[in-house]
Amino acid sequence: SYELTQPPSVSVSPGQTASITCSGDKLGNKYACWYQQKPGQSPVLVIYQDTKRPSGIPERFSGSNSGNTATLTISGTQAVDEADYYCQAWDSTTRVFGTGTKVTVL
Amino acid sequence: EVQLLESGGGLVQPGGSLRLSCAASGFTFSSYTMTWVRQAPGKGLEWVSAISGSGYTTYYADSVKGRFTISRDNSKNTLYLQMNSLRAEDTAVYYCAKAWEVAGEPLDNWGQGTLVTVSS
Repeated sequence: SYELTQPPSVSVSPGQTASITCSGDKLGNKYACWYQQKPGQSPVLVIYQDTKRPSGIPERFSGSNSGNTATLTISGTQAVDEADYYCQAWDSTTRVFGTGTKVTVL
Repeated sequence: EVQLLESGGGLVQPGGSLRLSCAASGFTFSSYTMTWVRQAPGKGLEWVSAISGSGYTTYYADSVKGRFTISRDNSKNTLYLQMNSLRAEDTAVYYCAKAWEVAGEPLDNWGQGTLVTVSS
């Protein structure tokens, strides 16, 4: 089965840049999207089609996808960005989520 | 405003059954693929099942195939998940989510979730 692997945790200082990777076989040939989930809340879509932001998502969130790796970048990270982040792509008709990354803003 | 409200969760014994519902509002329900995603306590997201807007096409994760059935009633704007032969590993918060009709079909709206606990 298809797997998407993320680092378990990423730490970042306020105002700095956080990068979260998502690795999967030939992931660059698929569309990747990213979800943010804060404790006790439902996931929220923050990036779709590799690079696009839904309405209402701050510009500090950006994405890229090439080769075997998709990356979510948070520029000028704020305390409110502390959350779990999940990538997601398709394997045929199966929606596959990444293993998740906890972003801590120190 | 899109709203998705799940219900039907609770405590059930192993081998038992439960039916989840998701009441939708704020969009043309019949036009969109709907999805169930679950999250075991302290774990990540797991896709469970999806159904096309018409209800004619359904998809299942291998972990639930043959035990769970997804359906919808477009006249009632409601999505369902019938769960049979439940196992301890099915314990999770179950979210319904709407798929956005763009390439990649990202999930652009999620409900608040309903907790299913399978235990004796």
